[in-house]
Amino acid sequence: AQSVTQPDIHITVSEGASLELRCNYSYGATPYLFWYVQSPGQGLQLLLKYFSGDTLVQGIKGFEAEFKRSQSSFNLRKPSVHWSDAAEYFCAVGEYGNKLVFGAGTILRVKS
Amino acid sequence: SQTIHQWPATLVQPVGSPLSLECTVEGTSNPNLYWYRQAAGRGLQLLFYSVGIGQISSEVPQNLSASRPQDRQFILSSKKLLLSDSGFYLCAWSEQGYNGYTFGSGTRLTVV
Repeated sequence: AQSVTQPDIHITVSEGASLELRCNYSYGATPYLFWYVQSPGQGLQLLLKYFSGDTLVQGIKGFEAEFKRSQSSFNLRKPSVHWSDAAEYFCAVGEYGNKLVFGAGTILRVKS
Repeated sequence: SQTIHQWPATLVQPVGSPLSLECTVEGTSNPNLYWYRQAAGRGLQLLFYSVGIGQISSEVPQNLSASRPQDRQFILSSKKLLLSDSGFYLCAWSEQGYNGYTFGSGTRLTVV
């Protein structure tokens, strides 16, 4: 069965510092991979997705993620964090036509 | 363009009262529809999904039910709410076969 692990429940970074949120998945075939962001009391917004091709994908708000098959990882990165990036981030994995499986989420705090 | 509407945004209901949350999608046909619940610190739990009118799959046994009376309408219901039903409920849709989800803005349900 598919599974997604986000090992960090909370991460705190200083504004302007770089960010990396980790995501590891367990899946037998080539997965479809997603990162979503959720601001408090809001729905989830898609940041970026990977289906195939270039393993480095660019998303909205200056985020990027890299698919590493050998490590079963899809880590989210941003070179310089802004205070408005404080939110909860969810990694998800799925198969074409099937349900997504979400990780437990990572709460990002940004300190000024 | 496609949009998803979810209401109400917040709801406070007494224990034992009924529940009806509604979700509608515009601008697409025959979408896959999903209900998720998000309890504090517990990530996203898939409750129900539907691939067509009248077709409902339940992921977890619980006090809730779902119905899809029209192609783009998905309703979450309960006959008698429990305290444990409190949480943040999210509706989502995806195209058939493609499993990137678009989420609604959520309903905060508090059972008192």
